[in-house]
Amino acid sequence: QKEVEQDPGPLSVPEGAIVSLNCTYSNSAFQYFMWYRQYSRKGPELLMYTYSSGNKEDGRFTAQVDKSSKYISLFIRDSQPSDSATYLCATRRGGGADGLTFGKGTHLIIQP
Amino acid sequence: DAGVIQSPRHEVTEMGQEVTLRCKPISGHNSLFWYRQTMMRGLELLIYFNNNVPIDDSGMPEDRFSAKMPNASFSTLKIQPSEPRDSAVYFCASSSDANTEAFFGQGTRLTVV
Repeated sequence: QKEVEQDPGPLSVPEGAIVSLNCTYSNSAFQYFMWYRQYSRKGPELLMYTYSSGNKEDGRFTAQVDKSSKYISLFIRDSQPSDSATYLCATRRGGGADGLTFGKGTHLIIQP
Repeated sequence: DAGVIQSPRHEVTEMGQEVTLRCKPISGHNSLFWYRQTMMRGLELLIYFNNNVPIDDSGMPEDRFSAKMPNASFSTLKIQPSEPRDSAVYFCASSSDANTEAFFGQGTRLTVV
């Protein structure tokens, strides 16, 4: 079992819909939780990061972490065709110099 | 800043040849990471350096893989000899100790035939 599990999709929704992306993880030592967006043939770029449990909002994006159930979520409101990409969740044990453990990514398609 | 710079962007080589991938991290960042991305396994951490010192190389798949960071502005990942199963996109990322954000390069798409 991978340490971070993520449904690869594809997930296809109409423009304007609310999108929910999710991951589960198995290692209780993970403290930092991130969402990266990756466009085709590009490197991942950081969208959101949170420390421990809780919610964080940035514009149309909301990240949620529930450490009790080891569940990570990203919500996208008013989805746009430009949001079509692969979304990767990632975790790390501590701040500073520590490598990230990634989910395999969910391919999201927003239909105009 | 130009971001993390990787070269080459694409590499096609024959099985058995040596391959060297290069990375220039963001100036001032003292942590550098090499990742490999495949459809089957997703993004996997191969090795990371802190202040030019390898900290964790447990993700390096075999002795055929080696990585160096001779100074704060340059790192290489070498595969010798290369095999078709090494075909993947290799990413370099850097971060500072003061924050948790890792910035990724555009990647090197390696094809071993």
